[in-house]
Amino acid sequence: TQLLEQSPQFLSIQEGENLTVYCNSSSVFSSLQWYRQEPGEGPVLLVTVVTGGEVKKLKRLTFQFGDARKDSSLHITAAQPGDTGLYLCAGANAGGTSYGKLTFGQGTILTVHP
Amino acid sequence: NAGVMQNPRHLVRRRGQEARLRCSPMKGHSHVYWYRQLPEEGLKFMVYLQKENIIDESGMPKERFSAEFPKEGPSILRIQQVVRGDSAAYFCASSPLFGDEAFFGQGTRLTVV
Repeated sequence: TQLLEQSPQFLSIQEGENLTVYCNSSSVFSSLQWYRQEPGEGPVLLVTVVTGGEVKKLKRLTFQFGDARKDSSLHITAAQPGDTGLYLCAGANAGGTSYGKLTFGQGTILTVHP
Repeated sequence: NAGVMQNPRHLVRRRGQEARLRCSPMKGHSHVYWYRQLPEEGLKFMVYLQKENIIDESGMPKERFSAEFPKEGPSILRIQQVVRGDSAAYFCASSPLFGDEAFFGQGTRLTVV
């Protein structure tokens, strides 16, 4: 059974601070996706990282995929109250019957105070 | 290009009734996944379907739960004889033929009373 450990579970910071969320596993994934979920809504895809060592930037968000494709991080620079939400990492596997099936981390609830 | 459409958004059922949750994937997507999100828990995979085929149902409870994705029409997740423990948010996601990216619908919140 594949597991994704996401940390921290809760993060409460002031506007303007930087933060990093981690997603770790002992398993290799073909790709890793980061989602953001608002209360009462479905997860919204932020980014997909595919290549070991890959770094992707989305405005103030930086996503990194570990060299061995077992872990990932999300770094937010100068957090804003609008960044508040639940952040989820999810690993996917290609091949066989598990193609595209996602294993989710537990999520990080981020609160950015003005 | 419409996203993944789920309905109903909210569903209330009495214990013992049947719940039917519908999901229409994004245009051009042939893979459908169902996930369940229990209160205070993360999203858990239930079942993966392609048109007229169940590919992986390893996350589906053995009893009372079934899923289908017919040639025409939406995918259906069916829960028979619902119990209080079935209360959760059920999300459907779809992905294209060759791709890992999954796009989620807004979910159906099932409440069993």
